[in-house]
Amino acid sequence: QLQLQESGPGVVKPSETLSLTCTVSGDPVSRTIYYWGWLRQPPGTGLEWIGSIYHTGSTNYSPSLKSRVTISLDTSKNQFSLKLTSVTAADTAVYYCARVEILTGYSMGYWGQGTLVTVSA
Amino acid sequence: QSALTQPASVSGSPGQSITISCTGTSSDVGGYNYVSWYQHHPGKAPKLMIYDVSNRPSGVSNRFSGSKSGNTASLTISGLQAEDESDYYCSSYTSINSLVLFGGGTKLTVL
Repeated sequence: QLQLQESGPGVVKPSETLSLTCTVSGDPVSRTIYYWGWLRQPPGTGLEWIGSIYHTGSTNYSPSLKSRVTISLDTSKNQFSLKLTSVTAADTAVYYCARVEILTGYSMGYWGQGTLVTVSA
Repeated sequence: QSALTQPASVSGSPGQSITISCTGTSSDVGGYNYVSWYQHHPGKAPKLMIYDVSNRPSGVSNRFSGSKSGNTASLTISGLQAEDESDYYCSSYTSINSLVLFGGGTKLTVL
């Protein structure tokens, strides 16, 4: 059974870098039929796509976050990671990782449980 | 690159049917049959309800159905039940930049 689990600090100071890792168990992140994605939900608002990474290391980012986001892949640990620089209070959100399935129209059938990251001094 | 457009809220009584729309462009919803729908209860992971416009994953009730016409996709829930009350999001593959676009979400209230 596939499982995804987000991990990282729950509090980040303004102007610093938010770093999260998604550990995948039950499927290798090197499989060619998936992308691996990050999404978030700020309080009181909807789900927001952050970006994704393919097994080749190719990435796609939301234009609104592209200048601050880096997603990377570590196949040896079966993990992928998110870095978001220069954070502000607007980056406070529940962050989710998910498997993006190419064969089912880039849908996301498996998600992590989400982790709340608060930006605060 | 704007998000897909969904109504902020819809409501219906138990047993009724409701439809949630999701409007995009020819670069996303209209150009590909790669629309998905998610149910999201606060504090839980989103659940995939529909993929490829109209396909249901195993275990999803057949009360949920999807369709598409032009640049607008729709999710229909028939025989509304109290447990259907939730937030619903559409998403689509996009040929521009980000790979995937999401809608702003629709809050379904079962009266």
